[in-house]
Amino acid sequence: DAGITQSPRHKVTETGTPVTLRCHQTENHRYMYWYRQDPGHGLRLIHYSYGVKDTDKGEVSDGYSVSRSKTEDFLLTLESATSSQTSVYFCAISDLPADPYTFGSGTRLTVV
Amino acid sequence: SQQGEEDPQALSIQEGENATMNCSYKTSINNLQWYRQNSGRGLVHLILIRSNEREKHSGRLRVTLDTSKKSSSLLITASRAADTASYFCATDENGANNLFFGTGTRLTVIP
Repeated sequence: DAGITQSPRHKVTETGTPVTLRCHQTENHRYMYWYRQDPGHGLRLIHYSYGVKDTDKGEVSDGYSVSRSKTEDFLLTLESATSSQTSVYFCAISDLPADPYTFGSGTRLTVV
Repeated sequence: SQQGEEDPQALSIQEGENATMNCSYKTSINNLQWYRQNSGRGLVHLILIRSNEREKHSGRLRVTLDTSKKSSSLLITASRAADTASYFCATDENGANNLFFGTGTRLTVIP
């Protein structure tokens, strides 16, 4: 997707290991978001950022941490992955909170 | 959870027919947005309607908003096989700093 990339696209990891997902944008948007998508639950917000070093929790933040040291990068870390964190993770960006979002292509994470 | 809810969960129609899907939400909003997701891809923004608007058009899309009923509908006219996707509504309920997404309607358009 133009202006936003996620890496990796796919990852399989073992229970208990740390995992970091990266979101990179070239749009200079202020807001960046991490959502997870699971069947029957739609998209649920994990964390979001409203500026460098400014982050806040979302609906399902337990077990996740984030960091934003540069405008263009927003990292999502699973400190100790669990099977319940198997999901598809999407990063999104916007200039203002109520603006249309631009989404990345997603990261499919499997915790075995 | 402050998610909206789409109805129906799944919809199957013939090419050329119209598709209507509905979204309900729970609290006050500034705007409501609709997104589309093709299988294995990220969501793509389709249309935004503000709380003071009742109807909006974009190409073959028509969105209505009824704030008194806290509901919205998305109409896709003259559907095409390429419209096959999941459609999500999203709201900024209570002026939150993020969008709340519904669980989606899976639309299948049969050629």
